[in-house]
Order: sequence, then structure tokens, then C-alpha cells
Amino acid sequence: EVQLVESGGGLVQPGGSLSLSCEASGFTFSNFWMSWVRQAPGKGLEWVANIKQDGSDKFYADSVRGRFSISRDNAKNSLYLQMNSLRAEDTAIYYCARGSGWHDYWGQGTLVTVSS
Amino acid sequence: DIQMTQSPSSLSASIGDRVTITCRASQGISNYLAWYQQKPGKVPKLLIYSASTLQSGVPFRFSGSGSGTDFTLTISGLQPEDVATYYCQKHGSAPPTFGPGTKVDIK
Repeated sequence: EVQLVESGGGLVQPGGSLSLSCEASGFTFSNFWMSWVRQAPGKGLEWVANIKQDGSDKFYADSVRGRFSISRDNAKNSLYLQMNSLRAEDTAIYYCARGSGWHDYWGQGTLVTVSS
Repeated sequence: DIQMTQSPSSLSASIGDRVTITCRASQGISNYLAWYQQKPGKVPKLLIYSASTLQSGVPFRFSGSGSGTDFTLTISGLQPEDVATYYCQKHGSAPPTFGPGTKVDIK
């Protein structure tokens, strides 16, 4: 059974940093692009970033480029999102999702709240 | 970047009705389009990819069509469990932008 489990969310002050993790199981992690997608409270879905199977290619939404960094460790079946210079508008549920375009599996999400 | 729009933003329909949601891309995207269903408080679920390919396990009352800039998601016979927000998403090249969503409920 494919599982994606996010962790690392929480409350952080504006300008602060947070690191999210996503642990994958039930499939060969190193064979798939992986993505982060977020959803602000009561709002729609927003793609954040994705990363190629070997980590050699990474893409970011304009809204996070230069502040967020996506990475992966295939030996640990894990995906990461380092978030710096956080803003109130980054408040959202952050989902880990399999695939670079369409996403057939999603985690349950982890809530990030940016507030003073 | 290519922008995605959806219409309508919300709709109410009766059980058994045929429901159609439209998604439009600001530039041609061939058939690189996916549809998701998100029920309240739940994780998004992939329904369709490549414009018309039904994801495994998705009921056959869901279908997708279109290519280029105009796409549709059709629910042939609305069921109570279909109450949800539906999102389109372009795929095939970055950024894989989502549409703003269409909220479907029961009349």
C-alpha cells in the first residue's frame, strides 16, 4: 500500500524557518518525481515545488522561489521542503504528492501556520 | 506561465443529473490535463489524467474530454457522495498549475 506521511508542520513567526519531511512507503521511491502542494485555509490547491527522481532537476512556484528548497534522500525514501523567510501567506496545509504533473497519491498533509 | 480557469465556480444539481465542469488553459496544453476531487476536510483524489484517462478505481460516471485549451469533466448521474470541489491541473511541463476549483453540491 502506498503511503506518504508528512511531518514538521507547526507555528512559526514571520521571517522564520521550518523544515517539512515526507516519508514514503509501498512503492519504489527513487523511480518517481515528487512534489509539494499546499492549500491555504478555505482556498484552492497551489503547486509549490517538484523534484526529479535523482534530485538533478527541481522546479518552484514563483511565490516560493528563492525562499523554499526541495530535496530528497532516496536511501531514506524521504522528501523534504526547507522553508525560509516565511510569510503569513505561506500559512497552509502542505501535502506531499507522488508525480511531477498529475498526482496519484497524496499524504494527509501537515499544517504550517505563520503568525506572530 | 499558462493560467487555468474553471467554470462555473459553483453549481447545485439534483441527484441523477448530468453535471459538466469546464476548464480552460490560457495556451494550448495538448491533452496534459488532470482532474481531482476534494471532499470537505479530505485529501484531493485523482480522477482523470491526460484529459480522458480514468484513474483506477474511479467510478465510470466520471469522464473527461478535450484538448488544446478547452476541457470538460462530466459526472453522468450525480450521486450524494460526489459533493466536493473539483480542480483541474495542467501537467506535462512546469509549473503544473491548478485551476481555482468548482464546488458541486446537491440541490
